[in-house]
Amino acid sequence: AQSVTQLGSHVSVSEGALVLLRCNYSSSVPPYLFWYVQYPNQGLQLLLKYTSAATLVKGINGFEAEFKKSETSFHLTKPSAHMSDAAEYFCAVSDKTGTASKLTFGTGTRLQVTL
Amino acid sequence: DAGVIQSPRHEVTEMGQEVTLRCKPISGHNSLFWYRQTMMRGLELLIYFNNNVPIDDSGMPEDRFSAKMPNASFSTLKIQPSEPRDSAVYFCASSPTGDSGNTIYFGEGSWLTVV
Repeated sequence: AQSVTQLGSHVSVSEGALVLLRCNYSSSVPPYLFWYVQYPNQGLQLLLKYTSAATLVKGINGFEAEFKKSETSFHLTKPSAHMSDAAEYFCAVSDKTGTASKLTFGTGTRLQVTL
Repeated sequence: DAGVIQSPRHEVTEMGQEVTLRCKPISGHNSLFWYRQTMMRGLELLIYFNNNVPIDDSGMPEDRFSAKMPNASFSTLKIQPSEPRDSAVYFCASSPTGDSGNTIYFGEGSWLTVV
């Protein structure tokens, strides 16, 4: 079964600093990987996804992630944090055996941005 | 474009009562998912449908939970009888069918409190 592990349930950065949220996956086949963001009292919104094309994936709001097979990682980064980035971030892996995106989510990382 | 629409947004009910959560997926999406989010267990897939047919309900906690999709534009998740441990945010989501790399779009969630 596929799974993802997010290291660090809480990350705090200063405004303008680099954001790095870690995600490692476990999969017996090349995975499809996703990052979603959840703002308070809202649903999940897709930030970006990797589906076997370019290994460096650019998403919305200045975020990007790099798929590294050798490290089984898909870490999310943003060069300069903004206060509006404060939210919870979820990494997810898709079950490729079916025709629908049955996602398995990580436990989430809450990003705090301070002045 | 209208996203996934869920109702009610908030529900407070007494233990033992029946709860019905409703969902309208994005038009044209053939896959529909029900997820549950709690602090203890994170995001869990309860059930998903393809073309109105339940494909995988292995995540449904117990017989008190049931889900239906009578047509392509409507689904319900019912809990009968409800218990305090069912308190959670329930998300409905939809995606196009055909590729497990397709993006899943989430609704705003139904916040359920059972007292």
